[in-house]
Amino acid sequence: DAGVIQSPRHEVTEMGQEVTLRCKPISGHDYLFWYRQTMMRGLELLIYFNNNVPIDDSGMPEDRFSAKMPNASFSTLKIQPSEPRDSAVYFCASSTRTSGSPAGETQYFGPGTRLLVL
Amino acid sequence: SQKIEQNSEALNIQEGKTATLTCNYTNYSPAYLQWYRQDPGRGPVFLLLIRENEKEKRKERLKVTFDTTLKQSLFHITASQPADSATYLCAINTGGFKTIFGAGTRLFVKA
Repeated sequence: DAGVIQSPRHEVTEMGQEVTLRCKPISGHDYLFWYRQTMMRGLELLIYFNNNVPIDDSGMPEDRFSAKMPNASFSTLKIQPSEPRDSAVYFCASSTRTSGSPAGETQYFGPGTRLLVL
Repeated sequence: SQKIEQNSEALNIQEGKTATLTCNYTNYSPAYLQWYRQDPGRGPVFLLLIRENEKEKRKERLKVTFDTTLKQSLFHITASQPADSATYLCAINTGGFKTIFGAGTRLFVKA
């Protein structure tokens, strides 16, 4: 398996523009997570999905952020309009429940998208 | 308030020595705790998971302890190597699949 795939790897945009980040989870994984990482705040969970349904979006910073998962193999995180304070590395991760294990065990992270908003 | 704290200062050790990293948490009652490794420009990689009813877990040169009374986990790397240099993140499951990560501790192993 290729692992979690994210695109683009780098994105530079100007304030006010729409940004769309993409993620393809590991095949067979039914949980998908979006995280944001900055030096100041570390790795923060934004939202996670189970079977394409958003379960917890309490980490989404504000209405400018939205996430969708139209099918089991694709998810997007959109920022509209973008602001300089959104500059960060955005990670997508996927996981699945294994027999006899507690929920949340072992998340597999993608390489991240480094976003810079000027 | 709920907090996960890891040593913010980098840890510098000599090759061959044991590195010990600390993770403290407050106002959580996690069923388990995880440790991840993160290299520059890459996503975190899972290393070990320890459950609340386990005191210690080992995997090759790695050892994790979990003290639910002290609300602390220790992560040890024995016979450390320069290739172990990375940032190590502690993560706590807070219910369902929701995981909260610590800020991480940067480890430098000098040859």
